[in-house]
Amino acid sequence: GQNIDQPTEMTATEGAIVQINCTYQTSGFNGLFWYQQHAGEAPTFLSYNVLDGLEEKGRFSSFLSRSKGYSYLLLKELQMKDSASYLCAALDSNYQLIWGAGTKLIIKP
Amino acid sequence: DTAVSQTPKYLVTQMGNDKSIKCEQNLGHDTMYWYKQDSKKFLKIMFSYNNKELIINETVPNRFSPKSPDKAHLNLHINSLELGDSAVYFCASSQDSGENQPQHFGDGTRLSIL
Repeated sequence: GQNIDQPTEMTATEGAIVQINCTYQTSGFNGLFWYQQHAGEAPTFLSYNVLDGLEEKGRFSSFLSRSKGYSYLLLKELQMKDSASYLCAALDSNYQLIWGAGTKLIIKP
Repeated sequence: DTAVSQTPKYLVTQMGNDKSIKCEQNLGHDTMYWYKQDSKKFLKIMFSYNNKELIINETVPNRFSPKSPDKAHLNLHINSLELGDSAVYFCASSQDSGENQPQHFGDGTRLSIL
């Protein structure tokens, strides 16, 4: 079956760095997305990786290893507004998104 | 200039009723989706339409019926509502279904069944 695994919850301190991991098992693979979802709001697109390596976008970076079925989202210089759920989603061979349950990130002052 | 808009934002109704949720996107996208997000926060795809044609129809009860009058609209009608239907329903759209285009989500409809 197809599966996405990511931690349920993480806690970090304002100003610090946090890495949210995601492992995936899909029928074929056409890339991996990260979305941010604040409580009570819609998911918003953060990043897309299809090639191995690190993609940097401001304070947020996303990494992919296709051979390991692994990705992470790296958030630097954490701000209180980064408190949200982070959803990992992999695109399978039919271009269907397989979603993880999300990682709730709690930022403490 | 809302990109994906869905109405209503909140829907509280009795078990057994029939209700509809509307979704419209002004992004010129070809593909639209309906998702259900339950209390455990899993986003589950329900339906996907590409240019008014159904392309994904996951295992959902046939009480749920999507309707796409044109590619900018995808409405969701639910018959005989049950307690387990309580969830947040998100509409989304993307440029194309067969490519790696990010999905843009509406604000969600919070459905509560009494």
